[in-house]
Amino acid sequence: QKEVEQNSGPLSVPEGAIASLNCTYSDRGSQSFFWYRQYSGKSPELIMSIYSNGDKEDGRFTAQLNKASQYVSLLIRDSQPSDSATYLCAVNDDYKLSFGAGTTVTVRA
Amino acid sequence: GAVVSQHPSWVICKSGTSVKIECRSLDFQATTMFWYRQFPKQSLMLMATSNEGSKATYEQGVEKDKFLINHASLTLSTLTVTSAHPEDSSFYICSARTTGTSGGGTDTQYFGPGTRLTVL
Repeated sequence: QKEVEQNSGPLSVPEGAIASLNCTYSDRGSQSFFWYRQYSGKSPELIMSIYSNGDKEDGRFTAQLNKASQYVSLLIRDSQPSDSATYLCAVNDDYKLSFGAGTTVTVRA
Repeated sequence: GAVVSQHPSWVICKSGTSVKIECRSLDFQATTMFWYRQFPKQSLMLMATSNEGSKATYEQGVEKDKFLINHASLTLSTLTVTSAHPEDSSFYICSARTTGTSGGGTDTQYFGPGTRLTVL
């Protein structure tokens, strides 16, 4: 599987702040990128997908992709305690997904 | 859309018994499903790729005779853990792959809720 690296956590942010999550990948030919959220004891839930360079916004979430730098990020604006979870970056590897190790985010009330 | 179910959600069994886990795509057809295993505080580990109507493809180090996979229809894949032992206790998660707009995106995987297996 191809390498996917995420910034090491845990990441602690105060409620209402912006949480910034970063991910780099090894295969320059990768075309599809995903962010999954996983609550403790639960399975991953897809929150964002991005395929083109630039920004993609969905509610409080913004994904950013820079294929030249092989970098994808996720911003969570106005962080809420319910955003406390582990966030997994995933990159399409043929028909499979290569996952990063995850970044655990804790939002302090 | 893009709902994936798993059954059972948890199971406790005795060592040496076999356990079957079902994964269903409820509102789309999935020619490809995936089985993952996750140990506490670790990331997902892909075990195998399940293709409808053909044999599963197992990742390196995964025993195909121990983890039997059947993908008999476009909406159902099953994982059978044969002769389970305590070291097989884990969180087993399936995902189903969509390749069109019916699942909400291009070549996207949606995960089932997972099955927590405890082998005594």
